[in-house]
Amino acid sequence: GAVVSQHPSRVICKSGTSVKIECRSLDFQATTMFWYRQFPKKSLMLMATSNEGSKATYEQGVEKDKFLINHASLTLSTLTVTSAHPEDSSFYICSASGGASYNEQFFGPGTRLTVL
Amino acid sequence: DAKTTQPPSMDCAEGRAANLPCNHSTISGNEYVYWYRQIHSQGPQYIIHGLKNNETNEMASLIITEDRKSSTLILPHATLRDTAVYYCIVRLASSNTGKLIFGQGTTLQVKP
Repeated sequence: GAVVSQHPSRVICKSGTSVKIECRSLDFQATTMFWYRQFPKKSLMLMATSNEGSKATYEQGVEKDKFLINHASLTLSTLTVTSAHPEDSSFYICSASGGASYNEQFFGPGTRLTVL
Repeated sequence: DAKTTQPPSMDCAEGRAANLPCNHSTISGNEYVYWYRQIHSQGPQYIIHGLKNNETNEMASLIITEDRKSSTLILPHATLRDTAVYYCIVRLASSNTGKLIFGQGTTLQVKP
């Protein structure tokens, strides 16, 4: 089956620093990747959609200058949380679709970000 | 994409069938019903999807009513590891963006 990995699985950082989260599709080429955020006891909220080689499309209310998304290759997308603050602490999850399973989304295991 | 309505929580005895309902009364003709589940602190896992016919795979069965306004996910023999939040999502399978919009889901607690 299609496998999506995320790195790191957990990260703790100081307020004001930037954090980069990687999302990789391990056994298929992901033409589209999605980034979600999930607060405790809440559902997943879509942040942005990124297509390989083009700019990401952000959902309403998501600051594109704060959450930088790069999808430079068909197997890697990165989310950088710039100048992180405690309210950015959340569970960040990516998903990927592409190849033979164009319409299916395969999710990564998530990254737990804690900003002190 | 159409909205869905699910009960916030359900219990099920281990070994029994778990039947999770979902209402999607505003679904349009070209929208599919997808089910995902999320075990605590993990990414969502795809379970099954369908358009109008009932579907079955190794994980579950999906029963869609004839008018397509509701569906039921059936886990035939629930185990403790099936405890999770189950999300019913309606989306266009051929959507250019392929976005999945998650509702609040149903928290299924499988009890010994």
